[in-house]
Amino acid sequence: AQSVAQPEDQVNVAEGNPLTVKCTYSVSGNPYLFWYVQYPNRGLQFLLKYITGDNLVKGSYGFEAEFNKSQTSFHLKKPSALVSDSALYFCAVRDIGSSASKIIFGSGTRLSIRP
Amino acid sequence: ETGVTQTPRHLVMGMTNKKSLKCEQHLGHNAMYWYKQSAKKPLELMFVYNFKEQTENNSVPSRFSPECPNSSHLFLHLHTLQPEDSALYLCASSQDGQGLSGNTIYFGEGSWLTVV
Repeated sequence: AQSVAQPEDQVNVAEGNPLTVKCTYSVSGNPYLFWYVQYPNRGLQFLLKYITGDNLVKGSYGFEAEFNKSQTSFHLKKPSALVSDSALYFCAVRDIGSSASKIIFGSGTRLSIRP
Repeated sequence: ETGVTQTPRHLVMGMTNKKSLKCEQHLGHNAMYWYKQSAKKPLELMFVYNFKEQTENNSVPSRFSPECPNSSHLFLHLHTLQPEDSALYLCASSQDGQGLSGNTIYFGEGSWLTVV
């Protein structure tokens, strides 16, 4: 069975500092991994995904994520946080080893950037 | 403009009412989804339609009835709901259903439902 975990409910970072939002996963085969962002009263917006290739994936708004197979992680990062990055972030995984698998979303991490 | 449009954005309904949520996607996708987002709970997949055929019903109560007349439109018909059904209902689409692909799922802005 596949699963995804976001161990932190909330992450607080000062503007201008680097930020990391953590995500770990469990799959039986190889994963497809996704990050989404949700601003208040909005739907989820796609940020980036890892399918294959380079472990470092670059996405929208200056975000990037690194696929680490040995640690089964896909942490979201940004070198310099902006107040406008404050939002709810979701990691998602799909196990490509199973044709019947769904995309599973994590419980979300609220990112708060203080001025 | 997300490419997936949901109406209404907000809906308040009584427990005996019948209402519908509508979703339209302008992305040329073949798969459409309904998700439920409640406070402090993970995103819940409700239904999946692939090429207008329902391929997933995630044990959703029958008071929620989906309809997919074509690949661009998806409805969620609501009848005799309970207060605990109050949530944000998100429609989404992707190029195809959740098969062997890494196709990205694109979400609409959501419909806030309050059952009183």
